[in-house]
Amino acid sequence: SQQGEEDPQALSIQEGENATMNCSYKTSINNLQWYRQNSGRGLVHLILIRSNEREKHSGRLRVTLDTSKKSSSLLITASRAADTASYFCATVHSGYSTLTFGKGTMLLVSP
Amino acid sequence: SAVISQKPSRDICQRGTSLTIQCQVDSQVTMMFWYRQQPGQSLTLIATANQGSEATYESGFVIDKFPISRPNLTFSTLTVSNMSPEDSSIYLCSVELREKLFFGSGTQLSVL
Repeated sequence: SQQGEEDPQALSIQEGENATMNCSYKTSINNLQWYRQNSGRGLVHLILIRSNEREKHSGRLRVTLDTSKKSSSLLITASRAADTASYFCATVHSGYSTLTFGKGTMLLVSP
Repeated sequence: SAVISQKPSRDICQRGTSLTIQCQVDSQVTMMFWYRQQPGQSLTLIATANQGSEATYESGFVIDKFPISRPNLTFSTLTVSNMSPEDSSIYLCSVELREKLFFGSGTQLSVL
């Protein structure tokens, strides 16, 4: 399977703390994307990082990509209760055009 | 970005019946995607819908069970046919713009 694997499956932190989620995949990719899903609703695109990029920032989000280890991490700094959601990594694998989603990390940020 | 209106947002259905889910996009798009998310699971692509041609189904999904219509570049429907409790899931439509996916708000389906 090409499906990514997020780690941890669930994460519980306090407001103001940083949250780090990891994603591993098995085959070479064109790009890797992170999405957020609130309460089982539609997903929202957060950030896209290409296979030739190592790090990308967007506001309080920082994504890294290590293609040699086939892994990526999403860091949310200074977390807020509103960040409570499930976070999914999704990959576009070489030779394919569709996204393959990982299993997700459920983040709970307590006030 | 794209704004996608999906309905119904939720439904409770009896086994053996069918439900049609609609998605309307605020701009013209070539491809629309239909995903299923089973409880506590990730998203699985059901099919890709192109306007003017048959949908392309992923392994494990067949047209008789999940017929799709794509009458124009802004609209698509997915029907879940002859439902069983195993079809209880969230169904999501999405479109791709500049390599990013934009999603409808999802349809939460419960089959009794």
